[in-house]
Amino acid sequence: GAGVSQSPSNKVTEKGKDVELRCDPISGHTALYWYRQSLGQGLEFLIYFQGNSAPDKSGLPSDRFSAERTGGSVSTLTIQRTQQEDSAVYLCASSSGGAGGNEQFFGPGTRLTVL
Amino acid sequence: AQSVTQLDSHVSVSEGTPVLLRCNYSSSYSPSLFWYVQHPNKGLQLLLKYTSAATLVKGINGFEAEFKKSETSFHLTKPSAHMSDAAEYFCVVSDGNFGNEKLTFGTGTRLTIIP
Repeated sequence: GAGVSQSPSNKVTEKGKDVELRCDPISGHTALYWYRQSLGQGLEFLIYFQGNSAPDKSGLPSDRFSAERTGGSVSTLTIQRTQQEDSAVYLCASSSGGAGGNEQFFGPGTRLTVL
Repeated sequence: AQSVTQLDSHVSVSEGTPVLLRCNYSSSYSPSLFWYVQHPNKGLQLLLKYTSAATLVKGINGFEAEFKKSETSFHLTKPSAHMSDAAEYFCVVSDGNFGNEKLTFGTGTRLTIIP
């Protein structure tokens, strides 16, 4: 079956604009994660969704960042009033959920460039 | 809090010689540990994982890792390097005790294979 997909693959925006990044997880996966990969910061966790539970937003770097997951499937990460330091590759991952070292399957990422 | 330390940012080996990528972890609970690989312009791919079963874990492409609790280590090895192994490797830890398996990544080790 299809893996995790993300769109767009590349996004160039101007400082101060809002952007939306989309993630389509693997069908049937209840857990969905967003990570960010940037120079100097490495890979860092942003937010986690599991079923209908309240999301874990502990990794979001500021209140300009938000995410939602509609119908337990597709997720959108929104960055408001983008800044140059937001430039990074944003990765989405999904897993079957639950405890026990479930493998997270990663999408190809969205490369965001803020000019 | 959980963390991982990858002791080498860059490792170079000759084709056909052994590979050793070092990783130490810190976790408050019994951790799940992973190695992921990222080839240039490709997504993250799981190499192998440890989830409290056998301490010697075999993964894809001939890689294996040994969980040593006394040394808090999870080093990645391969007996004979191949040119296709050139990539960035990430050691990753997850507590996973409460169902939230957010991953904490090491800073990565870039593996170069010398022909």
